[in-house]
Amino acid sequence: AQSVAQPEDQVNVAEGNPLTVKCTYSVSGNPYLFWYVQYPNRGLQFLLKYITGDNLVKGSYGFEAEFNKSQTSFHLKKPSALVSDSALYFCAVRGSYSGAGSYQLTFGKGTKLSVIP
Amino acid sequence: DSGVTQTPKHLITATGQRVTLRCSPRSGDLSVYWYQQSLDQGLQFLIQYYNGEERAKGNILERFSAQQFPDLHSELNLSSLELGDSALYFCASTSSSGTDTQYFGPGTRLTVL
Repeated sequence: AQSVAQPEDQVNVAEGNPLTVKCTYSVSGNPYLFWYVQYPNRGLQFLLKYITGDNLVKGSYGFEAEFNKSQTSFHLKKPSALVSDSALYFCAVRGSYSGAGSYQLTFGKGTKLSVIP
Repeated sequence: DSGVTQTPKHLITATGQRVTLRCSPRSGDLSVYWYQQSLDQGLQFLIQYYNGEERAKGNILERFSAQQFPDLHSELNLSSLELGDSALYFCASTSSSGTDTQYFGPGTRLTVL
């Protein structure tokens, strides 16, 4: 069975500084990895995904993620944090694919990012 | 806006009652997934439907059931509610590819008193 670990419950970063939110995964076969963000009282918004190809994936709102197969990691990064980036971030891995778009997402427990002005 | 809609936004009910949550997927999407988000369990997959048929089950209680209708909207039925069922319930949709992204609705917050 697949699993995702987000080792930090909370990450604090000063506005303008680079940010990293960590994620490691375990899955059999090729990993399909996702990052979502959840703002207070809102649903999950898709940020980016890794399917195959370049190890650096670019996504929405200036976020990017680095896939590292040897370390089984998929860390989310942004060169310069904004106060508006403060939210809950979830890493997810796709489970086994059973055809016709049928797959499960297994989520990490989430990391609360606080960007301090 | 993801294009996935959920109603109602909030639901407050008592223990032992039954409620129905509704989800309309993005236009053209055939798959609907239901997830539960609670403080102690995090985000957990409940069940998935594809074009009206159940395709996968996760950590869904026997008191819970779902269905997907011919117009592709889905309903999640929760019965004999307990205090521990209080949570955010999300649905997500995809079209037909295993590489498709799941797009989530805004969720229904269920409070059981």
